[in-house]
Amino acid sequence: EAQVTQNPRYLITVTGKKLTVTCSQNMNHEYMSWYRQDPGLGLRQIYYSMNVEVTDKGDVPEGYKVSRKEKRNFPLILESPSPNQTSLYFCASHNSGPNTEAFFGQGTRLTVV
Amino acid sequence: AQSVTQLDSQVPVFEEAPVELRCNYSSSVSVYLFWYVQYPNQGLQLLLKYLSGSTLVKGINGFEAEFNKSQTSFHLRKPSVHISDTAEYFCAVNKGGSNYKLTFGKGTLLTVNP
Repeated sequence: EAQVTQNPRYLITVTGKKLTVTCSQNMNHEYMSWYRQDPGLGLRQIYYSMNVEVTDKGDVPEGYKVSRKEKRNFPLILESPSPNQTSLYFCASHNSGPNTEAFFGQGTRLTVV
Repeated sequence: AQSVTQLDSQVPVFEEAPVELRCNYSSSVSVYLFWYVQYPNQGLQLLLKYLSGSTLVKGINGFEAEFNKSQTSFHLRKPSVHISDTAEYFCAVNKGGSNYKLTFGKGTLLTVNP
């Protein structure tokens, strides 16, 4: 089954404690992205990757890091989380081309206290 | 820069009533348009997309949308809604180029009441 898998689904952490949210896709897609969803703001792109070792900033990259060492994986790293990073995070993957459909993971609800 | 405006943050309707969720976009270039649906505690899934050609696009679950270039709109419609259509709906645009970037609207929460 084609899918994007994120882990964990829920996470509560303390300010400053490094964390990683994993994302894996089994569709051999070149493109992967991270979005955060906040009430009243919709989804905003954090980072995206066009292929292995190729990443770039989206609209809200501050406080986040990513890496793309393998085509199927695209982890999101918060080196020093802060309360304003409390949000619902989604990973997405898609083929190249702006007319293609994005496939989303189930989401990771992060709370930073 | 492209932007997406969803004119209603919440739309309550009764079961079997028709519904229209409104979406306007701004872009100086041609865009590709999408509607995604998010059911409670789930990720987003594609309802339908407009790439080119016929301006009336049909999607899953009986939804359809009409692309209007002069009005820069892409409104989503369903002639008769069910309780199971209760969800949040997002309009999104992608203007193309080498960067893949979906710009989303803020979402419309559709609540279908019995």
